[in-house]
Amino acid sequence: DAGITQSPRHKVTETGTPVTLRCHQTENHRYMYWYRQDPGHGLRLIHYSYGVKDTDKGEVSDGYSVSRSKTEDFLLTLESATSSQTSVYFCAISEGLTYEQYFGPGTRLTVT
Amino acid sequence: AQSVTQPDIHITVSEGASLELRCNYSYGATPYLFWYVQSPGQGLQLLLKYFSGDTLVQGIKGFEAEFKRSQFSFNLRKPSVHWSDAAEYFCALTRSGNTPLVFGKGTRLSVIA
Repeated sequence: DAGITQSPRHKVTETGTPVTLRCHQTENHRYMYWYRQDPGHGLRLIHYSYGVKDTDKGEVSDGYSVSRSKTEDFLLTLESATSSQTSVYFCAISEGLTYEQYFGPGTRLTVT
Repeated sequence: AQSVTQPDIHITVSEGASLELRCNYSYGATPYLFWYVQSPGQGLQLLLKYFSGDTLVQGIKGFEAEFKRSQFSFNLRKPSVHWSDAAEYFCALTRSGNTPLVFGKGTRLSVIA
């Protein structure tokens, strides 16, 4: 299995609070991604990174920011969480955009 | 814009029966195509991929998929389903260049005895 960990695995937070999710990889892959998974919507890309400090927006980036200061870590921040951001968040990595992606175990976030 | 459609939200098959999950895509040129599986509470795992060449590709766990350019399809098949195949299946595509994967909304597979 690809070395990808996500923390925390579960989090409950209140509306309006900031939340940061962490993705850590040990594979030295160039690309890292954040997705959210919701029933009936499949996986939707939030942001992705193609190198340290190089990021780009995905399909559903509003309300989210990311940072990548080291190759191995990709952080997803919800500056002010809303109930619509209740979801399961997956991190993924790949060697290139057209290469297969390897997924982390997911983080279940509940915003009350 | 490229897109992926999985027409079946939920499929139920009997253990030992054959399986075909449909995937249709919208894209002018030949895309790179993938099938992923997600077991309950888990992340996604790659089953197989198609980049070019032989249009019938073999994957893990006894799955195969056939790329049909004229039908814009990349259907996943398995000749005999096992109870452990119950999961959600996602088709995904990207085109050559610098665009990330686009996923379909998934098909949930239930297996009954």
